[in-house]
Amino acid sequence: DAGITQSPRYKITETGRQVTLMCHQTWSHSYMFWYRQDLGHGLRLIYYSAAADITDKGEVPDGYVVSRSKTENFPLTLESATRSQTSVYFCASIRLAPHEQFFGPGTRLTVL
Amino acid sequence: QKEVEQNSGPLSVPEGAIASLNCTYSDRGSQSFFWYRQYSGKSPELIMSIYSNGDKEDGRFTAQLNKASQYVSLLIRDSQPSDSATYLCAVNVDDKIIFGKGTRLHILP
Repeated sequence: DAGITQSPRYKITETGRQVTLMCHQTWSHSYMFWYRQDLGHGLRLIYYSAAADITDKGEVPDGYVVSRSKTENFPLTLESATRSQTSVYFCASIRLAPHEQFFGPGTRLTVL
Repeated sequence: QKEVEQNSGPLSVPEGAIASLNCTYSDRGSQSFFWYRQYSGKSPELIMSIYSNGDKEDGRFTAQLNKASQYVSLLIRDSQPSDSATYLCAVNVDDKIIFGKGTRLHILP
């Protein structure tokens, strides 16, 4: 099925562990984004990518690492998870014409 | 100061009335503006985009843009209970889509 998928949908981990959240899109959109959503903060941009091998920081990049070796995949890694990284993480991609941003279903991450 | 500001609400509107949602942004160079709707536990979905000053209508929704005042608004006519959700304003800032915190809208039956 075409679309944007995220895995896992739910994850519980412990402080200090490395966690990777996966994002896959089937449209070959150039731009992809990672957001986190927390009560009281709305959606905050972590990292974004304009194309394969091109990534850039967003509003809250500290503690996160991204890579984009293939257009369709944009994994987000928490190198050493902290409790403050407990959140819902959304991946998104953009179709340029007409301009529309599509979101994945989200990953709910809990760091104990 | 966050680049995109919205009143968090909740905004309560009687069914059938007009709901008015507002958003201001700080980057004068922004050219693209969006309104998303997000139901609880779901992903945001795009409902309106606007690129030039003035009004843009789509069904019961009207987006309004005033670049001089750095102001974007969304009007929902004939509000329905199904419109109860959080509405997110977003702005394209140098290819980054930046969101406001969202306004919770509650339509009263």
